[in-house]
Amino acid sequence: GAGVSQSPRYKVAKRGQDVALRCDPISGHVSLFWYQQALGQGPEFLTYFQNEAQLDKSGLPSDRFFAERPEGSVSTLKIQRTQQEDSAVYLCASSWRFASEQFFGPGTRLTVL
Amino acid sequence: ILNVEQSPQSLHVQEGDSTNFTCSFPSSNFYALHWYRWETAKSPEALFVMTLNGDEKKKGRISATLNTKEGYSYLYIKGSQPEDSATYLCALAGSGAGSYQLTFGKGTKLSVIP
Repeated sequence: GAGVSQSPRYKVAKRGQDVALRCDPISGHVSLFWYQQALGQGPEFLTYFQNEAQLDKSGLPSDRFFAERPEGSVSTLKIQRTQQEDSAVYLCASSWRFASEQFFGPGTRLTVL
Repeated sequence: ILNVEQSPQSLHVQEGDSTNFTCSFPSSNFYALHWYRWETAKSPEALFVMTLNGDEKKKGRISATLNTKEGYSYLYIKGSQPEDSATYLCALAGSGAGSYQLTFGKGTKLSVIP
């Protein structure tokens, strides 16, 4: 189908490793979002892109988290020196314009040992 | 910080039962209320986007109502089926410059027993 895809679906990392999570949004969608869902919680906003511009990164929990979308389509969320508290499901969503309906990918489940 | 609450946290019903869940949110700074269904190992699926007070939307056996003055939305499922088993999330979009940012509740996990 032509939905949002994410890879990998599952990632196990040792504490201190760097990880990179990929999101392929729906073609033509201008806006892209990353959310983090910790166990027992609802998804929480991390960052927002409009095309290649990162307009809001207020939700990134620390400077170990970095997101990019260099050509305005595929996005990568990078986490440096992973910690156990980074274990969560990372969801990506895209929408065709600002504040319209968001379409979600299946998420990447990150487990940090 | 917007606080979105959902109840109950989890629910077990028999096939054929009707059920409903609640989403509560601050009534000030409201822009839109979203409902999603999230089945295990799949993508969250959008059910409804609601913006107007008194709005009522329906999709098959699922319907939702919205009261922005008192800050709540109800999701109803009529004649639950096993395939309705999922976590149902509501998410608030606040007004203002950050209206793209969704604030989610913790979800209601529904299990329908055949």
